[in-house]
Formats: sequence, C-alpha cells, structure tokens
Amino acid sequence: ELKVEQNPLFLSMQEGKNYTIYCNYSTTSDRLYWYRQDPGKSLESLFVLLSNGAVKQEGRLMASLDTKARLSTLHITAAVHDLSATYFCAVDVGGADGLTFGKGTHLIIQP
Amino acid sequence: DAGITQSPRHKVTETGTPVTLRCHQTENHRYMYWYRQDPGHGLRLIHYSYGVKDTDKGEVSDGYSVSRSKTEDFLLTLESATSSQTSVYFCAISTGTGVFEQYFGPGTRLTVT
Repeated sequence: ELKVEQNPLFLSMQEGKNYTIYCNYSTTSDRLYWYRQDPGKSLESLFVLLSNGAVKQEGRLMASLDTKARLSTLHITAAVHDLSATYFCAVDVGGADGLTFGKGTHLIIQP
Repeated sequence: DAGITQSPRHKVTETGTPVTLRCHQTENHRYMYWYRQDPGHGLRLIHYSYGVKDTDKGEVSDGYSVSRSKTEDFLLTLESATSSQTSVYFCAISTGTGVFEQYFGPGTRLTVT
C-alpha cells in the first residue's frame, strides 16, 4: 500500500523567512504533484514533477523530486502572507488509478 | 478553469437516505475521479472511471457506488447515507495523455444528520 507522508502538518512562519515542506512516499514512482488549497476552496495544481531530479519554480515556490530517496520538497523563499494555504503532495504510481495524497501542510504566514 | 462543475454544492440529508452527487465536465476527458476530504486525512480516492461504463474502486469505496453513462457525467451515489459520510466530496478529471495530472471541481459539502 502506497503511503505519502508530509511534514510538517502545520507551519506558522513570519513573512520574509524561508522554509521547506517535505513529502516522503513509500513506493517507487517518478511522478509527483503539488497542489494548493485555500480555505473552503478547491485544489489548484502548482507543480508536476515527472522525473528524478526535476525542479520547478513559480515565484517564491520551488519544488524538487528525488525518486531514489522517494522525497519531494516544496521550498518557500521570502514568504509573503498570500502564500498562506494548505499544500498537498500527491503521488502517481502509474496509470490512471488516481492519486495518493499526503495529509497536507497547513501553512500560516504572519506579517 | 478545467470546465468541471459539481452539483449540488451543499447538501444536508438524514441518515439512511440515498444521495447522488453529480460531476459534469465540458472537456471530454476520459478519466474521472471521486475523492472525499476529511480533516486529518487529506484526500482519499473513492471511485474512478476510465470511460463510459468503465469504473473501479478506490481506497474508501465501501458505501458508495458510481455510474458513468456519458463521457461528461460521473455520478456518485451513497446508497444509504451515514454520519461517517459527512465530508467534502471532490470530483477530478485527467487528460491521461501520459501525465495524469488531475484538475478538481469546486467540491460538494455533504452533511448527514
């Protein structure tokens, strides 16, 4: 059974600081997805990582994938309040059988 | 906007009643999914579909059934709703063209009293 673990599950940080969210998974996969969810809203796709060593960046967010370590990271640089949200990673083990999600990281960025 | 709508958006129902949630897409994508989201659990897959009349069970399928008679519609039915099925339900679609990135609908908040 595939397990996806995120940590931390809750993170409160100040604006301007850097931090990293970690996503570990238990089965071989080279496809990992990051989503953002605002309170009461749906999930928004942030990054699609499709191979070992993949790195994607959008604004203050950068995601990377190490398939050998079964680890993805989401790095936040110089955080701003607008990045406050819940971030989910999800793993695809191949095919169209759906994604397995981590429990999410609730991120609060305080002025 | 991935062209996904869900109906109803909110529903309150009583224990033991049947409930059907609808997911409608305008993109003609082959793959469709139903997830439920509960605090502390993230999203968990209920059922999914590869195409018309082609469905399969996910991680938490007990108490749920699905149907897909048209490409654009994927229905989720709770045969006899229970309080443990109180949740937010999300439908998702995927193009399935080598990358199974999923796009999510707005969600349905279901409360079973």
